[in-house]
Amino acid sequence: QVHLVQSGSELKRPGASVKVSCKASGYTFTTYAINWLRQAPGQGFEWMGWINTNTGNPTYAQGFTGRFVFSLDTSVSTAFLQISSLKAADTAVYYCARRNGDVTFDIWGQGTRVTVSS
Amino acid sequence: SYELTQPPSVSVSPGQTARITCSGDSLPKQYAYWYQQKPGQAPVLVIYKDTERPTGIPERFSGSSSGTIVTLTISGVQAEDEADYYCQSADSSDSWDSSDNTDIWVFGGGTRLTVL
Repeated sequence: QVHLVQSGSELKRPGASVKVSCKASGYTFTTYAINWLRQAPGQGFEWMGWINTNTGNPTYAQGFTGRFVFSLDTSVSTAFLQISSLKAADTAVYYCARRNGDVTFDIWGQGTRVTVSS
Repeated sequence: SYELTQPPSVSVSPGQTARITCSGDSLPKQYAYWYQQKPGQAPVLVIYKDTERPTGIPERFSGSSSGTIVTLTISGVQAEDEADYYCQSADSSDSWDSSDNTDIWVFGGGTRLTVL
């Protein structure tokens, strides 16, 4: 079965960094791009961008440049999202999702809750 | 910036038909996608490319498109269909300077489906 399994919840102080992992299983990791999305409390989804799992080339959506970094470790079929200089406004559930061509986001991770609070 | 507009809420009785709309200026040119999200869970894709249903999604879920409005229809609504539903599409405006023609994904604000 195809799965994306994300790392657990994080509680961070403002100004700190966090790294969220997204481990794929059940398919060839480098075949499909991984996208990252954010859902603030009680809100809808913001698309943060994606990473080409074949080349490692990241693309960031407007509003997610500078403090946000997408990376990979293809040896363990895992994608990472790192956020630096955390702010209270970064408090959200972060999701990774597999882009399956025109089907778009057919498989999602379970989400990682990041809480930024002093 | 490009926006997709959904009604905040829709309510239906069990067995009735629920219709959730999503409007956007680029929808005549771009496919729409629909996701179901239950509390505390990740979204599940229920419709892709306007009308296609992924494997495992019940036949009561269908999608349609007409001009700038796409519609998710749930026929014979069941209690388990109570959830938030989000539409998604690509922003085909010229405001994004992308040399590799990357899609820019936009989501509607979501519609809470209540089964009375």
